[in-house]
Amino acid sequence: EVQLVESGGIAVPPGGSLRLSCAASGFTFDDYTMHWVRQAPGKGLEWVSLISWDGSNTYYTDSVKGRFTISRDNSKNSLYLQMNSLRTEDTALYYCAKDFGGSYSRFYFDYWGQGTLVTVSS
Amino acid sequence: DIQMTQSPSSLSASVGDRVTITCRASQSISSNLNWYQQKPGKAPNLLIYAASSLQSGVPSRLSGSGSGTDFTLTISSLQPEDFATYYCQQSYGTPLTFGGGTKVEI
Repeated sequence: EVQLVESGGIAVPPGGSLRLSCAASGFTFDDYTMHWVRQAPGKGLEWVSLISWDGSNTYYTDSVKGRFTISRDNSKNSLYLQMNSLRTEDTALYYCAKDFGGSYSRFYFDYWGQGTLVTVSS
Repeated sequence: DIQMTQSPSSLSASVGDRVTITCRASQSISSNLNWYQQKPGKAPNLLIYAASSLQSGVPSRLSGSGSGTDFTLTISSLQPEDFATYYCQQSYGTPLTFGGGTKVEI
């Protein structure tokens, strides 16, 4: 059974930093591109970032470029999101999501974690 | 960036009704369109991928169609468990983008 378990979400002041983690199990982690998707309270879904199976390719939505860094450790079946210079508009539930594709990325998401809440507030 | 526009933003329907949700892309995305269902307090769930392919385990009363810029999600006979918010998402290119969502109320 595929499981994705996020952690690391807390309340931080604007300008602060945070590292989110996602522990994956139930599939061959290093075969798949992985994503972070967020959802502000009461709002819709927003894709944040993706990382290829080997970490060689990363992409970000414009609003987080230069502030967030996605990474992975395939030896630990783990995905990370380093979040710096946090803004109030970064407040959201952050989901880790598995890409549907195996041998090549599909850029849609067949498994999601339960999310970890990041609150940016003074 | 590719903008995804869903309509309506909400709808009320009765059990057994046929329900259609539309999604329009700001440019052609071929068939790179996916649909998700999200229930309150839960993570989204993939329903349809590549515009019309039903994800494993999803009931056949749901279907997707369209290509280019215009897409639809249809529920042929609405069931109580279909109360949820539905999102479209384009996978044509980064940044990946979602529609604003359609809340279906029974």
